[in-house]
Amino acid sequence: QVQLVQSGAEVKKPGASVKVSCKVSGYTLSEVSMHWVRQAPGKGPEWMGGFDPENGGTLYAQNFQGRVTMTEDTSTDTAYVELSRLRSEDTAVYYCATGPTLRGNWFDPWGQGTLVTVSS
Amino acid sequence: QSALTQPASVSGSPGQSITISCTGTSSDVGGYDYVSWYQQHPGKAPKLIIYDINYRPSGVSDRFSGSKSGNTASLTISGLLAEDEAVYYCSAYTSTNTRYVFGTGTKVTVL
Repeated sequence: QVQLVQSGAEVKKPGASVKVSCKVSGYTLSEVSMHWVRQAPGKGPEWMGGFDPENGGTLYAQNFQGRVTMTEDTSTDTAYVELSRLRSEDTAVYYCATGPTLRGNWFDPWGQGTLVTVSS
Repeated sequence: QSALTQPASVSGSPGQSITISCTGTSSDVGGYDYVSWYQQHPGKAPKLIIYDINYRPSGVSDRFSGSKSGNTASLTISGLLAEDEAVYYCSAYTSTNTRYVFGTGTKVTVL
């Protein structure tokens, strides 16, 4: 079964960028559909982007377009999400999760989460 | 894309059944049979408990069941246990560029 292990907590200043990693084991990164979801303190999850079964590419949520980049290194089975121009509202736990490769809606499993704190 | 609407809290006694609603629009909940539900305990990642409206992943108790009518999906927990105390989120596939949307979350309290 798939296991996802994420990088550690980060503290960043407003305007900076952050890059979070997610190491896949049990399967290769090429065999899974990777997504990134964040959750601000006390709030519900928010999908940031990931594999789009409609066209087989990467789709970014409208709220993050222009600020987010998702990449994959298949040689190490590691996925990355980078968020730029950070602001205090980006303080959240960032999760990677695998999802459907065909049209559908499920995220399972999830990584353990990476807390990103944006503070001056 | 707005978050799906859920009641803030629902409570029940051990052994009872409770139902959590999740209201969206014809562009998400009402437009596809791709509604999922997640259970989240404090400090933990969300756990998938229902997908495609009413399918359970392997290992999830059959006390959890889902349904949908129009733009509203529902999660029912029967035979409530103390361990069911958690926050529950719904999620739906959407026709917009924000392909997946989550609900506002419902805190379930076992009295």
